[in-house]
Amino acid sequence: GAVVSQHPSRVICKSGTSVKIECRSLDFQATTMFWYRQFPKKSLMLMATSNEGSKATYEQGVEKDKFLINHASLTLSTLTVTSAHPEDSSFYICSARGASGYYEQYFGPGTRLTVT
Amino acid sequence: QKEVEQNSGPLSVPEGAIASLNCTYSDRVSQSFFWYRQYSGKSPELIMSIYSNGDKEDGRFTAQLNKASQYVSLLIRDSQPSDSATYLCAVRGPGANNLFFGTGTRLTVIP
Repeated sequence: GAVVSQHPSRVICKSGTSVKIECRSLDFQATTMFWYRQFPKKSLMLMATSNEGSKATYEQGVEKDKFLINHASLTLSTLTVTSAHPEDSSFYICSARGASGYYEQYFGPGTRLTVT
Repeated sequence: QKEVEQNSGPLSVPEGAIASLNCTYSDRVSQSFFWYRQYSGKSPELIMSIYSNGDKEDGRFTAQLNKASQYVSLLIRDSQPSDSATYLCAVRGPGANNLFFGTGTRLTVIP
């Protein structure tokens, strides 16, 4: 399957600071990227969908000014958590899908964010 | 509201047995179906995709799709302790961008 990388894998930050998470598709061009968050023992929750070169589409209840998403190229998307608070602590996972075939969707390894 | 339903489990099977995981979906026009495996603390890993009615085999895994019954299943033959994980069923409709996930079935393979 295709490879999606994510960096950093783990980050601890202080309340009020911003954190940027990078997601890269390593061996295919990702026309669409997705950002999810997952709390312990809970389901994946889709936060937003982004197409390369376009503004992200956010799910209901997700603050677009707090979770800034940029999908500037076919291999890179970033999620910036601005003014992070302890309740933003979670497992953030990106996912990418290419333009060909049946559009299988591959996940990155995830970023565990802890806000102190 | 598109829904994907899975039995949350836990499903326990002895090592070497067949594990059967089931999923139903509400949107009749869904076209693409996926099974992901998620180990605790890790991200989901795509293990099977299926698009047509019938069976699709890949190693020890077999996905079965019945669009008339809106049902997709995953069989794991010769289950191993390393198969112990949560299995997520995901469905995508025609022209849709994102996947709809079930809540997952937790599988435990007992040595």
